[in-house]
Amino acid sequence: QVQLQESGPGLMRPSETLSLTCTVSGASVSSGSYSWSWIRQPPRRGLEWVGYVYYAGSTRYNPSLKSRVTISVDTSKNQFSLKLRSVTAADTAVYYCAVSPSPIDAFDIWGQGTTVTVSS
Amino acid sequence: EIVLTQSPGTLSLSPGERATLSCRASQSVSSSHLAWYQQKPGQAPRLLIYGASFRATGIPDRFSGSGSGTDFVLTVSRLEPEDFAVYFCQHYGNSPGTFGQGTKVEIK
Repeated sequence: QVQLQESGPGLMRPSETLSLTCTVSGASVSSGSYSWSWIRQPPRRGLEWVGYVYYAGSTRYNPSLKSRVTISVDTSKNQFSLKLRSVTAADTAVYYCAVSPSPIDAFDIWGQGTTVTVSS
Repeated sequence: EIVLTQSPGTLSLSPGERATLSCRASQSVSSSHLAWYQQKPGQAPRLLIYGASFRATGIPDRFSGSGSGTDFVLTVSRLEPEDFAVYFCQHYGNSPGTFGQGTKVEIK
């Protein structure tokens, strides 16, 4: 059974770079059988897909965030990570990592989420 | 980008009643790429339905999905106390995958 656990800073200042990590158990991040995604949920709002990393490091990002986002894998730690540059208050959200069998499948397993607050 | 509009925003029902949730897409989407999730307060979303009508692993058969083209429906045949939650539809299969704004099913 695949399990995911997010970790991150909690509180950030505007203009900083957000770095989040998702630790994976029960599967290998280097496997071509999974697509690893980040999804966020601003307070009292809906869900927004941020991007994914797939087999051999292939990535795709939400066009609205593309200029600020990087998603990558660390195979030595069996983790994947999200970096979001130049954060503002609009980036305040619960950030979830999730997995799907491929980039064109639904997200069948989610982490519990980590709250990120951007405030001066 | 495909926009998904869910209705109603809030559904007030009693345990044992039937819940019918709607998800309308701004353009026709493949039924193979429509999912429904359930989210309870303080928890991550949980996949209920994928491919418009296929239940995910471990999902009770009181949950069912249907629809095609631009109109999709999630039905909960008899609400159990644990079913009161927010439900999201999602179109996947391209990038960015988009979510509806959610329907809250609350206890009447």
